[in-house]
Amino acid sequence: GENVEQHPSTLSVQEGDSAVIKCTYSDSASNYFPWYKQELGKRPQLIIDIRSNVGEKKDQRIAVTLNKTAKHFSLHITETQPEDSAVYFCAASRVNNAGNMLTFGGGTRLMVKP
Amino acid sequence: TAGITQAPTSQILAAGRSMTLRCTQDMRHNAMYWYRQDLGLGLRLIHYSNTAGTTGKGEVPDGYSVSRANTDDFPLTLASAVPSQTSVYFCASSDWDNNEQFFGPGTRLTVL
Repeated sequence: GENVEQHPSTLSVQEGDSAVIKCTYSDSASNYFPWYKQELGKRPQLIIDIRSNVGEKKDQRIAVTLNKTAKHFSLHITETQPEDSAVYFCAASRVNNAGNMLTFGGGTRLMVKP
Repeated sequence: TAGITQAPTSQILAAGRSMTLRCTQDMRHNAMYWYRQDLGLGLRLIHYSNTAGTTGKGEVPDGYSVSRANTDDFPLTLASAVPSQTSVYFCASSDWDNNEQFFGPGTRLTVL
């Protein structure tokens, strides 16, 4: 089955700096890669996703890049703000007729210091 | 609309007892999922259902069962709870046309 590894497990940045979180996956057939943000005691919420036919996707201060050959994808947050502090999870899945079963990475706790 | 709801919010359960965690969505999504999230860890898939009437096993299905009698409801049952099942349980749903999974608020379960 799929295996997703995520680094670093914790990341502390100064407000205004950029943050980068990296994930690798094992199943070359995976074709969907979402990123979720989870605040303390809350549910995970999708912040951005990318499909395997795209190399990069951007939404305001958030961007995701995908390297299918190397089987890794990264989340980039620019101009970080204190409200970006949360745990971020990457995930991967092979979307097909059987559904969309996500395999999650272990998470990255991002702390943005004012 | 309510989106996706879960009940109860939290529960303390004696080992050996059974319990059903409820999950209901009003978005008419085809697929539904159950995950568990242990302290400080990521989410792991327990069971899933691609459409009403079908279910499948995820990464950690042992000790859990599910049913999908209709589109909206996807209950998760622990037949005989054990302390290792102490976790936060999240239900999620998604539509075939859009891969995004929407999560419920979670159920915090403690098995003593």
